Amino acid sequence: NAGVTQTPKFQVLKTGQSMTLQCAQDMNHEYMSWYRQDPGMGLRLIHYSVGAGITDQGEVPNGYNVSRSTTEDFPLRLLSAAPSQTSVYFCASSRTSSYNSPLHFGNGTRLTVT
Amino acid sequence: EDKVVQSPLSLVVHEGDTVTLNCSYEVTNFRSLLWYKQEKKAPTFLFMLTSSGIEKKSGRLSSILDKKELFSILNITATQTGDSAIYLCAVCGTSYGKLTFGQGTILTVHP
Repeated sequence: NAGVTQTPKFQVLKTGQSMTLQCAQDMNHEYMSWYRQDPGMGLRLIHYSVGAGITDQGEVPNGYNVSRSTTEDFPLRLLSAAPSQTSVYFCASSRTSSYNSPLHFGNGTRLTVT
Repeated sequence: EDKVVQSPLSLVVHEGDTVTLNCSYEVTNFRSLLWYKQEKKAPTFLFMLTSSGIEKKSGRLSSILDKKELFSILNITATQTGDSAIYLCAVCGTSYGKLTFGQGTILTVHP
């Protein structure tokens, strides 16, 4: 079982560069989301999607774009990287967006912006 | 604004000790509280609590929710070095668009 797969595992960017973090799940989950994790701040929601073609903003969406053209994939785009976006990024999915369906996390992407 | 506060932020114990981790919350339209364990990589799901007073148990770990006082505790008995991890508490409102995480508790278990 692959579960939630994130690529790349590590990335270094220069300020102003753009890139896409990939996320794929093979569990036919409706709900997918992106979080960033910073020391002392827990996990903060960036964007989420309740199904193909539907996305919405979370707590910290600025500087990031998402799209959901298929059930399986939910890429996160950094438009113009800034040092403040240095973080560990986690993609997570669940069967539904209902409160009683646990989230399954990918292994994370560690991003450094210099 | 929804808020989840975990305490303590870090804890160092020896193998065999019992620990209690705390999670208090303020959230609109509370639906569930979740506990996760994070070792080096992805957080892994431990418990989901929706009703007050009903203990969830898995081996040496147990958790309970108090919806009146707005908190939950996670107990780990007879700790082992493999329990060393960050323990995350999250509270869900109407849907996962409203899932708010606490800062986490870093647990270190020494042999």
